[in-house]
Amino acid sequence: NAGVTQTPKFQVLKTGQSMTLQCAQDMNHEYMSWYRQDPGMGLRLIHYSVGAGITDQGEVPNGYNVSRSTTEDFPLRLLSAAPSQTSVYFCASSTLDSSGGYNEQFFGPGTRLTVL
Amino acid sequence: AQRVTQPEKLLSVFKGAPVELKCNYSYSGSPELFWYVQYSRQRLQLLLRHISRESIKGFTADLNKGETSFHLKKPFAQEEDSAMYYCALIVGATNKLIFGTGTLLAVQP
Repeated sequence: NAGVTQTPKFQVLKTGQSMTLQCAQDMNHEYMSWYRQDPGMGLRLIHYSVGAGITDQGEVPNGYNVSRSTTEDFPLRLLSAAPSQTSVYFCASSTLDSSGGYNEQFFGPGTRLTVL
Repeated sequence: AQRVTQPEKLLSVFKGAPVELKCNYSYSGSPELFWYVQYSRQRLQLLLRHISRESIKGFTADLNKGETSFHLKKPFAQEEDSAMYYCALIVGATNKLIFGTGTLLAVQP
């Protein structure tokens, strides 16, 4: 199993450009999520999904869109990049406990994004 | 509001010294807390969860509901423990994790 994969590893954008960060997992996990990691602020949840066709907002969703057309993929779209979106982005996935309990989240290697 | 606080950005200790990484939380429901670790050039990974009451790599953490704390402890630090440590709180039944700001543990030889 490759686990959780993310592409690209690094990206530089100009203000106003759009792009998609890719995330895929091969563990048949129902739950997938996107975080951004900023110095002094830890990891903050952007969007998450509990299954194909179902997405919801996290703490910091503004400026980002997601979709979940398949169980495996959960792309994150930046509609019009801004310098404030310079960050390291992490994708994570997990199974979902049918009783609502928590299962360990597995993280991808991250994408380092710089917006000029 | 739900919140996880890690007051120390950096904790530097010598090899063999005891380690305590502090974590406090704010949550109105029944808390479920975790410690995640990120070693240099590696992915973020789960270290331990309070509900398991286990010791991983010599680390333990006890949930203290009275003090709303979940401090991570190890009696004798090793150089390979050097990493970024994040305390996290699960919110609701949707697997949403709220992370603290992290503490960088540096173990000196």
